[in-house]
Amino acid sequence: GAVVSQHPSRVICKSGTSVKIECRSLDFQATTMFWYRQFPKQSLMLMATSNEGSKATYEQGVEKDKFLINHASLTLSTLTVTSAHPEDSSFYICSARAPVARGSPLAFFGQGTRLTVV
Amino acid sequence: KQEVTQIPAALSVPEGENLVLNCSFTDSAIYNLQWFRQDPGKGLTSLLLIQSSQREQTSGRLNASLDKSSGRSTLYIAASQPGDSATYLCAVSSYGGSQGNLIFGKGTKLSVKP
Repeated sequence: GAVVSQHPSRVICKSGTSVKIECRSLDFQATTMFWYRQFPKQSLMLMATSNEGSKATYEQGVEKDKFLINHASLTLSTLTVTSAHPEDSSFYICSARAPVARGSPLAFFGQGTRLTVV
Repeated sequence: KQEVTQIPAALSVPEGENLVLNCSFTDSAIYNLQWFRQDPGKGLTSLLLIQSSQREQTSGRLNASLDKSSGRSTLYIAASQPGDSATYLCAVSSYGGSQGNLIFGKGTKLSVKP
């Protein structure tokens, strides 16, 4: 299957600083990528849909000025958590929409990033 | 709005038992349904994908069924092993949204005791 690489896998940062998470599709071009987050004992929730060359679409309740998404190329989307606070500590995971192939997933996931804000 | 529910939230079984995990969804207009495995602090491993036109998929000791009209899916694990211990997530991809984004259940945390 297609490979999506997410970096870093773990990050600890101080409150008030910004953190950038990268999501790369390694062997296919992805015009659309998705960013999810998962709080403890909760399900993965879609935060935003990232579209190459245009503005991201944010889900209700997600602050677009706090979670900056840039999808400048067909293989890379970045999520920047600005002015991070302890309540932003969570598991963030991206997926990239793959070329449509019958019987295959529509999107492939990265490994996820565990963010801890202290 | 699509909602996905998984029952039970947690399950503990002795090694060797067969078990069933349940998933239900409120809107039957789905494109496909996937079962994932998530290990603590790790990403997702896709286990099985069932297209909306299919009724089941099998991979090794795993069998997933789909009854789209009733909004239900089950994941059957045969002869469970301690290495199967993980959280199992069910997710659906719906028509109407950006194809590829998934709506997840909260998962079933499985513990298989040696």
